Amino acid sequence: GQQLNQSPQSMFIQEGEDVSMNCTSSSIFNTWLWYKQDPGEGPVLLIALYKAGELTSNGRLTAQFGITRKDSFLNISASIPSDVGIYFCAGQLLLYQLIWGAGTKLIIKP
Amino acid sequence: DAGVTQSPTHLIKTRGQQVTLRCSPKSGHDTVSWYQQALGQGPQFIFQYYEEEERQRGNFPDRFSGHQFPNYSSELNVNALLLGDSALYLCASSLEGVNFEAFFGQGTRLTVV
Repeated sequence: GQQLNQSPQSMFIQEGEDVSMNCTSSSIFNTWLWYKQDPGEGPVLLIALYKAGELTSNGRLTAQFGITRKDSFLNISASIPSDVGIYFCAGQLLLYQLIWGAGTKLIIKP
Repeated sequence: DAGVTQSPTHLIKTRGQQVTLRCSPKSGHDTVSWYQQALGQGPQFIFQYYEEEERQRGNFPDRFSGHQFPNYSSELNVNALLLGDSALYLCASSLEGVNFEAFFGQGTRLTVV
């Protein structure tokens, strides 16, 4: 079946560091989205990308829709403690259906 | 303005039983999607309801069914529960035309024993 490969699975970072994560697929998507999920909560939409090559920012977050339409990345600059959580990429598989990656868990080093 | 609300928050059922989960969408939203999220995994799309009709379904058996009411709220029903149905069930609401800019509820944690 369709799969999104999201990497890395987890990241240990120091506060203030920049973070980068990405998603790749064997299929072409028309839409890429990035969500963040905190423990005990549902996912929250961070950034939506609708055009190949599109680069979009939301505060310290920047995401890009790959030119091949098979990948996307998310960067977080100058990480802070509240950035801890699980980040998911999701791609539009069918008209009303998203397929999701397995998530990247962000952990702040003590 | 209330966001997406789901009930109950936690539920324990026995194999073979049936369960109904409920979702009230964010005010002004008319589309409801349901997802299953196993521990350590991303959400998996179950189905989407719009205008009280199921308009797209993911790769889930017929034991999973749903309903949308005229006030846009929705129910997810699962029959003949299996141990593998244990998961967090998420409801997401959106406005027709901006389907992927969805708001999620906190989910219902279902445990099947």
